[in-house]
Amino acid sequence: KQEVTQIPAALSVPEGENLVLNCSFTDSAIYNLQWFRQDPGKGLTSLLLIQSSQREQTSGRLNASLDKSSGRSTLYIAASQPGDSATYLCAAHGSSNTGKLIFGQGTTLQVKP
Amino acid sequence: NAGVTQTPKFQVLKTGQSMTLQCAQDMNHEYMSWYRQDPGMGLRLIHYSVGAGITDQGEVPNGYNVSRSTTEDFPLRLLSAAPSQTSVYFCASSYSDRGGFDAFFGQGTRLTVV
Repeated sequence: KQEVTQIPAALSVPEGENLVLNCSFTDSAIYNLQWFRQDPGKGLTSLLLIQSSQREQTSGRLNASLDKSSGRSTLYIAASQPGDSATYLCAAHGSSNTGKLIFGQGTTLQVKP
Repeated sequence: NAGVTQTPKFQVLKTGQSMTLQCAQDMNHEYMSWYRQDPGMGLRLIHYSVGAGITDQGEVPNGYNVSRSTTEDFPLRLLSAAPSQTSVYFCASSYSDRGGFDAFFGQGTRLTVV
């Protein structure tokens, strides 16, 4: 059974700092690894999608990497801003053609001005 | 495009009542799914569908029914609401492209059962 874990559960950093959020999964037979952002009381917004054949994806100040062999993904946020404060969720797309996602519990990020 | 639309946004039910949470997508996605989000538990899969007429159970299906009569709609039915079903419910749709999937989420339905 696929399990996804995110560490740390919460993180507080000063503005401008570079930071890394970690995601680990137990079954390396995944299709994709997707990172989402969730603001309080809101839905999920997709940030980056890494296909199983890829090693990383970049969007602006965000860079996500995927290492299937070690069961790890990281989300790197460069030059953090107060507007980055949110909960970040990683989710593994399963190995079968179902569209199912297995989520980690999220990392809640606070960026202080 | 509207994307994934969930209604209602908020709902209060009494124990034992039934209701249907609506989910519609206009992206012609083949896959749709329902999740519930609880504090400290993350998002857990309730039911999912791989196409019209095909549904299956996820991790926490008890107390919920689904159907998929069209590609666009995937309603979630609570048969007899219980306080344990107090949660935020998210509907998602996704498609397969070049061996990968991409998922899109609705804004959620916040349900309270008293």
